[in-house]
Amino acid sequence: DTEVTQTPKHLVMGMTNKKSLKCEQHMGHRAMYWYKQKAKKPPELMFVYSYEKLSINESVPSRFSPECPNSSLLNLHLHALQPEDSALYLCASSHRKLKDQESQDQPQHFGDGTRLSIL
Amino acid sequence: GESVGLHLPTLSVQEGDNSIINCAYSNSASDYFIWYKQESGKGPQFIIDIRSNMDKRQGQRVTVLLNKTVKHLSLQIAATQPGDSAVYFCAESRRTGTYKYIFGTGTRLKVLA
Repeated sequence: DTEVTQTPKHLVMGMTNKKSLKCEQHMGHRAMYWYKQKAKKPPELMFVYSYEKLSINESVPSRFSPECPNSSLLNLHLHALQPEDSALYLCASSHRKLKDQESQDQPQHFGDGTRLSIL
Repeated sequence: GESVGLHLPTLSVQEGDNSIINCAYSNSASDYFIWYKQESGKGPQFIIDIRSNMDKRQGQRVTVLLNKTVKHLSLQIAATQPGDSAVYFCAESRRTGTYKYIFGTGTRLKVLA
């Protein structure tokens, strides 16, 4: 079992549907991430939240809308997706640590993802 | 025919032997590196990390080596076990504090009984 919980595990939706992916962690991590992973490919960064504020958007189409309602939750709202958006969507979280007043990167903890299929 | 990139590089190793998985990175400013293991149907799992002020770090049965001169990272797994079969990714942080991690293409490790 992972410490980052993603729901649902599988989602099938039509191109006109609206759905949301959910991610939850209780490790006190203040950085949270969304990645997209296609088969046999590495995860690709989509969004980064730091202290509940969006800090990185990797030029993701507006049909993907992230939301971080509090320090434990991260959502990804989906609307009018295309078949090529079918993929595994991974959520991750990490500590923010300061060393000598500089922010120091920490490893990410991943959930097991939501397998999304667009019909 | 098959397109480039449809198949992950694969390393096949006999059970009990040592495995070495390699990763090249492109950004000389990258200062933090992580190795992840991803089993089928699961998310990436943290194995070990290393910062750019080090050239070697050891964990339990794993060692990461960093060669900044040639921008190369390797993961060594001692006494490889069937449970080590998975896809292994390296990831680099291109700028400290931005939380922007870029993953390498991955290597599939197959452990032969």
